[in-house]
Amino acid sequence: ILNVEQSPQSLHVQEGDSTNFTCSFPSSNFYALHWYRWETAKSPEALFVMTLNGDEKKKGRISATLNTKEGYSYLYIKGSQPEDSATYLCAFSDGGTSYGKLTFGQGTILTVHP
Amino acid sequence: GAGVSQSPSNKVTEKGKDVELRCDPISGHTALYWYRQSLGQGLEFLIYFQGNSAPDKSGLPSDRFSAERTGGSVSTLTIQRTQQEDSAVYLCASSFGAGGLGELFFGEGSRLTVL
Repeated sequence: ILNVEQSPQSLHVQEGDSTNFTCSFPSSNFYALHWYRWETAKSPEALFVMTLNGDEKKKGRISATLNTKEGYSYLYIKGSQPEDSATYLCAFSDGGTSYGKLTFGQGTILTVHP
Repeated sequence: GAGVSQSPSNKVTEKGKDVELRCDPISGHTALYWYRQSLGQGLEFLIYFQGNSAPDKSGLPSDRFSAERTGGSVSTLTIQRTQQEDSAVYLCASSFGAGGLGELFFGEGSRLTVL
């Protein structure tokens, strides 16, 4: 059973604050790491797919880094806005016999207060 | 539309009945996933199809659960003799190319309530 851990479980910030959260995964047999944003009453939407150690991805105010050797990825949000309120999920694939299988973490629930 | 389509969106059934949930992936996507989210829980992997390869069924919680994917396209998740603990939102997702490298596109989900 793959252990994909996300922290913190929930986070409350004020509009304009920058924030970050963590996804931890097994450091052996890395294949891919995904980040998704899941807004209430909607479907999860992809933010990033990361495959290489040292990868840094950016989309607007959101960015992510990846360290496959130590088994973690950080997601950063700069200048949080209320519309950033959502659950942020990471998903890990270990490139095993079912290399496409993606195991999700429990998510970080972000609430941005105006 | 061009997105992943799931039906029904809501299903209420009595304990012991069988249910079928359908997923119509994005055309051309070779990978198809089923996940479920029970109340207060994260996304739980159920099954993964990749092209013509044998599916990864390692997440199916019991032999009451089965899934098939016909013609590499539409998938049906079947739950036999439903139990109350099967109540959850069942999400289908598809991706292009080798699973794991392509971002997942999710459907709106099927909410199952077992009375």
